[in-house]
Amino acid sequence: ESVLTQSPGTLSLSPGERATLSCRASQSLSSNYLAWYQQKPGQAPNLLIYAASSRATGTPDRFSGSGSGTDFTLTISRLEPEDFAVYYCQQYGSSLTFGGGTKVEIK
Amino acid sequence: QVHLVQSGAEVRRPGASVKVSCKASGYTFSSYGIFWVRQAPGQGLEWMGWISGYNGDTNYAHKFRGRVTMTTDTSTSTAFMELRSLRSDDTAVYYCARAKRVQWLVPRDAFDIWGQGTMVTVSS
Repeated sequence: ESVLTQSPGTLSLSPGERATLSCRASQSLSSNYLAWYQQKPGQAPNLLIYAASSRATGTPDRFSGSGSGTDFTLTISRLEPEDFAVYYCQQYGSSLTFGGGTKVEIK
Repeated sequence: QVHLVQSGAEVRRPGASVKVSCKASGYTFSSYGIFWVRQAPGQGLEWMGWISGYNGDTNYAHKFRGRVTMTTDTSTSTAFMELRSLRSDDTAVYYCARAKRVQWLVPRDAFDIWGQGTMVTVSS
């Protein structure tokens, strides 16, 4: 199964700034089966992006996903106060695994 | 509206079993698979397994095989996850989540709807 490594572990940014989160897979993902989730404290995760670059229903367009093969990126173009949270990537091309998460915190 | 509503928090002794339920509403239960994911306190997400809402087929993560059983009751649109031989490191929030793709019978997918989570505490 593919191991996912997310970086950085923590990203300290101010509202209005651009956030770039990385997810690297140990094996190339078939059909770019890579999803991104946002999780706020005490809440279940929420699907943002699937198939590497498709926005889920209700995902604001400031969130975008890109990448292919083994390297994937989640970009938040301008951080809103509600975007400070933990973000997880998940691959579903070979079995199913999650990355360790990136915390986006207020600087 | 589509919802997954899970059963309430549980406390168990080491060696015991726990069964968590996940009741679906707002969609045709048999058209989607259900995944189970857990999250230990302060930790990341861990996939446990999948069950088809259509025919009850299951696929369990290697780590949990032999200790977990997932079932469904289509008459009540409810999925269940039972974990046996509990240990202290099974203390976690357990989530059910719906597969994104309709009529997708493969145990791999993104999860578009999540339950609220069930806290399971294992302590002597």
